[in-house]
Amino acid sequence: DGGITQSPKYLFRKEGQNVTLSCEQNLNHDAMYWYRQDPGQGLRLIYYSQIVNDFQKGDIAEGYSVSREKKESFPLTVTSAQKNPTAFYLCASTWDSLIYTGELFFGEGSRLTVL
Amino acid sequence: KQEVTQIPAALSVPEGENLVLNCSFTDSAIYNLQWFRQDPGKGLTSLLLIQSSQREQTSGRLNASLDKSSGRSTLYIAASQPGDSATYLCAVRGAGNMLTFGGGTRLMVKP
Repeated sequence: DGGITQSPKYLFRKEGQNVTLSCEQNLNHDAMYWYRQDPGQGLRLIYYSQIVNDFQKGDIAEGYSVSREKKESFPLTVTSAQKNPTAFYLCASTWDSLIYTGELFFGEGSRLTVL
Repeated sequence: KQEVTQIPAALSVPEGENLVLNCSFTDSAIYNLQWFRQDPGKGLTSLLLIQSSQREQTSGRLNASLDKSSGRSTLYIAASQPGDSATYLCAVRGAGNMLTFGGGTRLMVKP
């Protein structure tokens, strides 16, 4: 089945530790995104990538890092510099070209809790 | 900067009722608008995508309309069911090919 797989679904971290969230897609999409969702707030963009080996900061990139070494993979690292990392993290992907539908597809999310 | 607003933030209706969810945006220069559904603790599921050149899209009991000039979209749900209970989000794709999300409407359909 085609789709976006995020792992782990739940993750607990001690303060001061870096953690990496995995996002893999087999939809052959060019563009991939990471969003953060907090209770009572909308989705906020952390990073996005429109092509392999290139990525751009979103609205709240501080304390996060990403890589895009393969088209199908876009891992997110939450570093110790992120002051309030407890949140629900969502990965998404889409065709980037405006020739296509531009429909955005999401994974099931990863919930990170800092102890 | 694009701003997307969804009103109401929460809605409770009895089963069987037809209902309308609203989405408004400040910059009418959009490429498309997408409606999503989110169940608690889950990711977002795409419901309908309306391109800027379209006025509406339909899928089953769902109908979404788009009025770019007034910066508004509505999601119409016919004959609501308890299984429709979820949070509904709209997102617009605009300048720089970026999406801006609304805060969502939390819908509860009571049996």
